[in-house]
Amino acid sequence: KQEVTQIPAALSVPEGENLVLNCSFTDSAIYNLQWFRQDPGKGLTSLLLIQSSQREQTSGRLNASLDKSSGRSTLYIAASQPGDSATYLCAVSPDGSSNTGKLIFGQGTTLQVKP
Amino acid sequence: NAGVTQTPKFRILKIGQSMTLQCAQDMNHNYMYWYRQDPGMGLKLIYYSVGAGITDKGEVPNGYNVSRSTTEDFPLRLELAAPSQTSVYFCASSPAGHRGPDGYTFGSGTRLTVV
Repeated sequence: KQEVTQIPAALSVPEGENLVLNCSFTDSAIYNLQWFRQDPGKGLTSLLLIQSSQREQTSGRLNASLDKSSGRSTLYIAASQPGDSATYLCAVSPDGSSNTGKLIFGQGTTLQVKP
Repeated sequence: NAGVTQTPKFRILKIGQSMTLQCAQDMNHNYMYWYRQDPGMGLKLIYYSVGAGITDKGEVPNGYNVSRSTTEDFPLRLELAAPSQTSVYFCASSPAGHRGPDGYTFGSGTRLTVV
């Protein structure tokens, strides 16, 4: 059974720091991996989607990497800002014979960036 | 604005009551999903649909039912509410499941409390 784990559960950093959020998954048979942002009381916003054949994706100050063989992904945030404060969720889409698009989520990392 | 609309945003139910959580999307997405998120946890899949008239169970379907009579709407029904169903419920849609290059669009959630 696929399990997704995110470490740490919470992180507090001063503004301007570069930081890394970690995501690990137990089964390397995935179609893709996504990183989402969740603000308090809000829905999820998709940040980056990495297909299983890709190694990384970049969007602005965000860079996500994928090492499928080791079951790991990292989300790198450069020059963090207070506006980056949110919960970041990692999710994998399991491989299989049918395209259901189901996602399996990690528990999330709650990030606080202090001014 | 185009997207996924969930109603209501908040609801308090008494044990044994029933209710329907509404979800509508105007992006002509074939794939739709219902997830629940318990405090401090990731999202777990309740039910999903790959097109009108087709639904299937996810990881935690007990106590819920769904229907998909149109592409736009995907309501979630709670028949006999129990305290264990206290959670935040998210509806999501995708144009092509995990085979598409695009990610998922999430609604803003319904916060349900069963007392």
